[in-house]
Amino acid sequence: GQQLNQSPQSMFIQEGEDVSMNCTSSSIFNTWLWYKQEPGEGPVLLIALYKAGELTSNGRLTAQFGITRKDSFLNISASIPSDVGIYFCAGPLHGSSNTGKLIFGQGTTLQVKP
Amino acid sequence: DGGITQSPKYLFRKEGQNVTLSCEQNLNHDAMYWYRQDPGQGLRLIYYSQIVNDFQKGDIAEGYSVSREKKESFPLTVTSAQKNPTAFYLCASSILTLYGGSSEQFFGPGTRLTVL
Repeated sequence: GQQLNQSPQSMFIQEGEDVSMNCTSSSIFNTWLWYKQEPGEGPVLLIALYKAGELTSNGRLTAQFGITRKDSFLNISASIPSDVGIYFCAGPLHGSSNTGKLIFGQGTTLQVKP
Repeated sequence: DGGITQSPKYLFRKEGQNVTLSCEQNLNHDAMYWYRQDPGQGLRLIYYSQIVNDFQKGDIAEGYSVSREKKESFPLTVTSAQKNPTAFYLCASSILTLYGGSSEQFFGPGTRLTVL
């Protein structure tokens, strides 16, 4: 079926470093969502993107909706230990039946060393 | 306080038993969803419902059942037919646009089910 490919699969970085992760698909998306999941908890929505080329920030987080509509990027600046978690991208497929269903990437696991 | 609640947080079940996981939302959202998450993996859709008294199978519905008798509630039953039920279960909800398309989904805190 349709898939979202996230990379990298995991990252282990030093506190203070910037982080970059991305999500790609062979299909077009009209919305991109980025979630963070902390251990043992449900995912929390970080940023939602609705237009190709859109760049949106939420504190130290910045996400972009790719021009081709087939990719999205999430950057975290000056990482801190509480950034630890799994980051998921998600989106509904363009042209799919209107069910409210989302497709999720496999996640990028981020670990931050103090 | 608006949100989604799931209970219990941890659940233990003996093999061969059915068990029901609760999901309630007071966000007045139309659609509700159940996902299963296994260690190191993404989210897989079990069932979803866009309206009361209607629901559809997701990608891994076998061994599960749901009901949607009220807008606020979408309980999931894990039946004895589910071969490998130990997992983290997440409930979510969203509004639906005029065209029925999705908006952001908001998640509950999850229920960790362990089969002994």
